[in-house]
Amino acid sequence: SAVISQKPSRDICQRGTSLTIQCQVDSQVTMMFWYRQQPGQSLTLIATANQGSEATYESGFVIDKFPISRPNLTFSTLTVSNMSPEDSSIYLCSVVGISIYEQYFGPGTRLTVT
Amino acid sequence: DQQVKQNSPSLSVQEGRISILNCDYTNSMFDYFLWYKKYPAEGPTFLISISSIKDKNEDGRFTVFLNKSAKHLSLHIVPSQPGDSAVYFCAASASGGSNYKLTFGKGTLLTVNP
Repeated sequence: SAVISQKPSRDICQRGTSLTIQCQVDSQVTMMFWYRQQPGQSLTLIATANQGSEATYESGFVIDKFPISRPNLTFSTLTVSNMSPEDSSIYLCSVVGISIYEQYFGPGTRLTVT
Repeated sequence: DQQVKQNSPSLSVQEGRISILNCDYTNSMFDYFLWYKKYPAEGPTFLISISSIKDKNEDGRFTVFLNKSAKHLSLHIVPSQPGDSAVYFCAASASGGSNYKLTFGKGTLLTVNP
């Protein structure tokens, strides 16, 4: 399976600021995703990062709040904009494996908003 | 509404015994199911999966059983080892969908006692 890294691994941010999270994969992958795991909750898909086009967002998530870039087949960024304490979560990127129904996850970025 | 439910937030077993983790789903469109294991400060690690055309899939100490009529699946770990202590997530996918979205349960914390 692909090796996935994320930066930063954790951060503490002030309310109203923005944070950009990077996801790097060691091989080209067709599909990349961004998930959020709020405290005590399940992982929730934020969006599918599409290479060369706008990301596809799930219900409840909007581009203005979570802009996503995917400039090539190995890299993507997720920005959490105008943060509030409710944005405190673990943010994870994932990629599709050999089977398109199986996804492999990065180590996650733990975000705390004060 | 939660489409994938893991009703036991935690489970404790003795080393060497069987661990059984349960998962229920409500969406009839789900036809591919996965289990992930997550250690603290790490991303979820893919463990085992099963397609709806099967009722059992085995990989070493891990076996997943699927009961489609009951919309229920379970993960059996035999024998359990202390290193298996982690949070286990059940996830489901509808293969007819276009974005291969995974829907997760909230997870079950498994503790294997030496």
